[in-house]
Amino acid sequence: GAGVSQTPSNKVTEKGKYVELRCDPISGHTALYWYRQSLGQGPEFLIYFQGTGAADDSGLPNDRFFAVRPEGSVSTLKIQRTERGDSAVYLCASSPNYGSRYNEQFFGPGTRLTVL
Amino acid sequence: GESVGLHLPTLSVQEGDNSIINCAYSNSASDYFIWYKQESGKGPQFIIDIRSNMDKRQGQRVTVLLNKTVKHLSLQIAATQPGDSAVYFCAEITTSYDKVIFGPGTSLSVIP
Repeated sequence: GAGVSQTPSNKVTEKGKYVELRCDPISGHTALYWYRQSLGQGPEFLIYFQGTGAADDSGLPNDRFFAVRPEGSVSTLKIQRTERGDSAVYLCASSPNYGSRYNEQFFGPGTRLTVL
Repeated sequence: GESVGLHLPTLSVQEGDNSIINCAYSNSASDYFIWYKQESGKGPQFIIDIRSNMDKRQGQRVTVLLNKTVKHLSLQIAATQPGDSAVYFCAEITTSYDKVIFGPGTSLSVIP
């Protein structure tokens, strides 16, 4: 079956530009997560959606980062005025349920963002 | 703040030998721990998990040990194979079960 997909797989942009990264979760998964992974590091939590709403956006580094999930399925992570320090792999994960117990998160392959 | 970390950044083992990857955590309130495997160009893949009320859990060729007294977690891989070469992360789940906190990772290299 289809897993979590992310597009594009690679994105190269110039400093100051705007980028959008897309995540298609596993069908039926209500929870969706974004993480950022720098080279040699573990993924760091950015934001978590339950349905259409952002239940926890405490990991977003600043107001240049924003994410939406308007129909409770596909999500887009948006980065304004990109900086070289934003270069990383952006991972998306989805899981089937929320709250009462841990539900395994299934990760996509990530989008590698390079800001020149 | 609270964090999860690893003792060894790299580990090389001979094919067929057993591998042990270690992890120290600092949040004594964590209820759930997971080991992930990440191959190059892919997202993390769940390997095995353990709850804080357990001290050992076994899977297929993998065993996770939890020592809450010293806040230590380990992953044992039996009869390591070339396909086991990857970066391994330990991670803890927040008590609200809504996000995974990853450690920095250990790179496992299997020598044929």
